[in-house]
Amino acid sequence: AQKVTQAQTEISVVEKEDVTLDCVYETRDTTYYLFWYKQPPSGELVFLIRRNSFDEQNEISGRYSWNFQKSTSSFNFTITASQVVDSAVYFCALITPLRAGNNRKLIWGLGTSLAVNP
Amino acid sequence: GAGVSQSPSNKVTEKGKDVELRCDPISGHTALYWYRQSLGQGLEFLIYFQGNSAPDKSGLPSDRFSAERTGGSVSTLTIQRTQQEDSAVYLCASSLWLENTEAFFGQGTRLTVV
Repeated sequence: AQKVTQAQTEISVVEKEDVTLDCVYETRDTTYYLFWYKQPPSGELVFLIRRNSFDEQNEISGRYSWNFQKSTSSFNFTITASQVVDSAVYFCALITPLRAGNNRKLIWGLGTSLAVNP
Repeated sequence: GAGVSQSPSNKVTEKGKDVELRCDPISGHTALYWYRQSLGQGLEFLIYFQGNSAPDKSGLPSDRFSAERTGGSVSTLTIQRTQQEDSAVYLCASSLWLENTEAFFGQGTRLTVV
């Protein structure tokens, strides 16, 4: 079975604090891809990052960083020095390649609602 | 087009009426997805298309829901005999392929059934 769990439903921080959003996934496949999307109040989902299962190197993009740990099946997302504009719902998602019986659809977590307060 | 376009952006309908939601994906994207997001909820997968084919219809909530895609481009999601529980934001996304490329989302259609 494939599953994505975002245990944190809501997080509230004060501006400039660092915040980490957790994502734990389940899959039997050795090849898979993980994604993070941001959904601001406007509603449109915005792609943030894609990571394949063979690349465990952590990635940093400005104030955003991602920590991929295959040993714990986690793909956590950290925002450093958070800003009010970071307030959004963040979704983690998983997709595995086509094989017999696999529907090849994105499996989504339920999202973490982040509120950054001034 | 430059992005995924969905129409209408808002739809209010009376219970029992049929509605049709449209999605115009990014040109050249072979994969197209429909999702539903109820207030404060995560994304609920409805259906995806690879070209004009929909291999997985298991996410459609009931037989009142159907979707089609023609010419490997525009897709329509039809809800017959709408119910109040169908009220949600319906999101469409497209991606170059199914397997590992990021999906680009439209702004959604907010459906309200009164």
